[in-house]
Amino acid sequence: GAGVSQSPRYKVAKRGQDVALRCDPISGHVSLFWYQQALGQGPEFLTYFQNEAQLDKSGLPSDRFFAERPEGSVSTLKIQRTQQEDSAVYLCASSTRGGNGETQYFGPGTRLLVL
Amino acid sequence: GDSVTQMEGPVTLSEEACLTINCTYTATGYPSLFWYVQYPGEGLQLLLKATKADDKGSNKGFEATYRKETTSFHLEKGSVQVSDSAVYFCALIIGISGANSKLTFGKGITLSVRP
Repeated sequence: GAGVSQSPRYKVAKRGQDVALRCDPISGHVSLFWYQQALGQGPEFLTYFQNEAQLDKSGLPSDRFFAERPEGSVSTLKIQRTQQEDSAVYLCASSTRGGNGETQYFGPGTRLLVL
Repeated sequence: GDSVTQMEGPVTLSEEACLTINCTYTATGYPSLFWYVQYPGEGLQLLLKATKADDKGSNKGFEATYRKETTSFHLEKGSVQVSDSAVYFCALIIGISGANSKLTFGKGITLSVRP
């Protein structure tokens, strides 16, 4: 079946521009996660949804970052007034319920470069 | 806070050599442990996992045993292949069903296997 998909795969933005990154989780998956992966580092947690409810946004680095999942399926991560330090790969993952021990399935990521 | 420490890389091996990649963790609760792999140009994929002490996860000839007494989850393979060349991430989850279950990753280690 279809896996997690993300779009765009690559995004180049000028500093100060707003960007929107899309994630389509596996159909029927209740839980959705966003991670940020800097070059040469492991992914770091940004935020978590269970259905449409954003249960944890403790990893969002600033109030320029905003995520939503209004109908409990597709999610959008928005970054306002992008800065060079926002350059990274943004990964989306989904799982059936999000419980301990459950596998999270990752999308291919969106590589963001802020110039 | 919870953390994962992986051995420093990169690692370069000849085909058919033995592989061990060390991973230790610090956790306040009782985590599930994972190894994810990222092949060149591809997204993160689950390689194996273990959800309780003394469990052994295995896949594609790789193995890792959850050692609570040493807080370790070392990845091993008896004979590596060129196709195993990738970046390997150790990760943990602490959470209960229905609650936040974010993955905490190590920095990753690059494995290159020479023919």
